[in-house]
Amino acid sequence: DAGVIQSPRHEVTEMGQEVTLRCKPISGHDYLFWYRQTMMRGLELLIYFNNNVPIDDSGMPEDRFSAKMPNASFSTLKIQPSEPRDSAVYFCASGSKETQYFGPGTRLLVL
Amino acid sequence: AQTVTQSQPEMSVQEAETVTLSCTYDTSESDYYLFWYKQPPSRQMILVIRQEAYKQQNATENRFSVNFQKAAKSFSLKISDSQLGDAAMYFCAYRSRGEYGNKLVFGAGTILRVKS
Repeated sequence: DAGVIQSPRHEVTEMGQEVTLRCKPISGHDYLFWYRQTMMRGLELLIYFNNNVPIDDSGMPEDRFSAKMPNASFSTLKIQPSEPRDSAVYFCASGSKETQYFGPGTRLLVL
Repeated sequence: AQTVTQSQPEMSVQEAETVTLSCTYDTSESDYYLFWYKQPPSRQMILVIRQEAYKQQNATENRFSVNFQKAAKSFSLKISDSQLGDAAMYFCAYRSRGEYGNKLVFGAGTILRVKS
């Protein structure tokens, strides 16, 4: 298995632009998680899905953030409009009830 | 709410030596999972080891082992025969086993430096 796949790996954009991060979970995993990592706040859970249904989005910082999972093999995290304080590494993870496996992350820089 | 504390911001170890990273957590639950993840400079989060709270036996994965003290709410990671490739940030994480226990709660991390 290729593991969790995220794209793009790096994204540089200007303030106000829309950013879309993509994730392909490991086949057979029924949970999918989006995390954000910053120096100031560490690793934070933004939202997670179970069987494509959003279960807990209490970590989503603002209405500018949205996430979807249209099918079992694809999820997106969208930021619109982006701001410099959104600069971070965004991780997607998938897993079972026991364990989560992380993707390589997307490093986002908003200028 | 559960919290995870890693009190060592940074640790150093000589190659081939043994090092122990500390982790404590706070919870009122009796059944849960504990994890150690490794994050090398590539930023990839790699699962190192997992412990189920109901198991008394400490988990072991090759050179990595844990000392799980449930009553003390302590979960330390021991790395034996340290290698240069072990240099990374190490995160301790907690996850509830309940119905909605799918969130990982992470500690702040410990940077491990390996000297040759």
